Amino acid sequence: EAGVAQSPRYKIIEKRQSVAFWCNPISGHATLYWYQQILGQGPKLLIQFQNNGVVDDSQLPKDRFSAERLKGVDSTLKIQPAKLEDSAVYLCASSLDSLARASYEQYFGPGTRLTVT
Amino acid sequence: KQEVTQIPAALSVPEGENLVLNCSFTDSAIYNLQWFRQDPGKGLTSLLLIQSSQREQTSGRLNASLDKSSGRSTLYIAASQPGDSATYLCAVAPRTDSWGKLQFGAGTQVVVTP
Repeated sequence: EAGVAQSPRYKIIEKRQSVAFWCNPISGHATLYWYQQILGQGPKLLIQFQNNGVVDDSQLPKDRFSAERLKGVDSTLKIQPAKLEDSAVYLCASSLDSLARASYEQYFGPGTRLTVT
Repeated sequence: KQEVTQIPAALSVPEGENLVLNCSFTDSAIYNLQWFRQDPGKGLTSLLLIQSSQREQTSGRLNASLDKSSGRSTLYIAASQPGDSATYLCAVAPRTDSWGKLQFGAGTQVVVTP
């Protein structure tokens, strides 16, 4: 079974530029998560989708970050314009959908390491 | 608000020694607790998931316990090997969120020396 795919793996941009990350979850997984992991810290949830609907974006800096999940499968996360403090690893994860959704494991992709200079 | 803490932040042990990693959380109302491994420059690999109704889970040399009443989980790795060197993170799924959002600790960086 293929895992969660992410691209690109690495990205270096200058501040005020824009950048986009792509994620393809495990086939059949209805729930998709984007996390931000700053060096030395644990991942922090940015946004969570259930199929193509947003269920939690309370920690997403909406003035510069946006995300969408087309047709309930692939997802893109965009930053525009980027700031120095956005330098981090952006992780995508997915999990099964069910009434017991909160009990399911989350499977993570390899992440995209963003450096903003 | 749920807080997850992992102490120590870093740990170095000689090969063959048993590893004991600690995780504490402030709110016992959780769906489950997961332990992850993260290698440098890589994503997270799930090691063990303990449901709130369980006390422990085992997989090979790994054993994780959960004590909800005291807000603690411990990950034991028996007979450590250099390949066990990585950062280990624990995460809880709070019951205050019905969608399975995970709250992570900052991790314990482990080095196993040959």
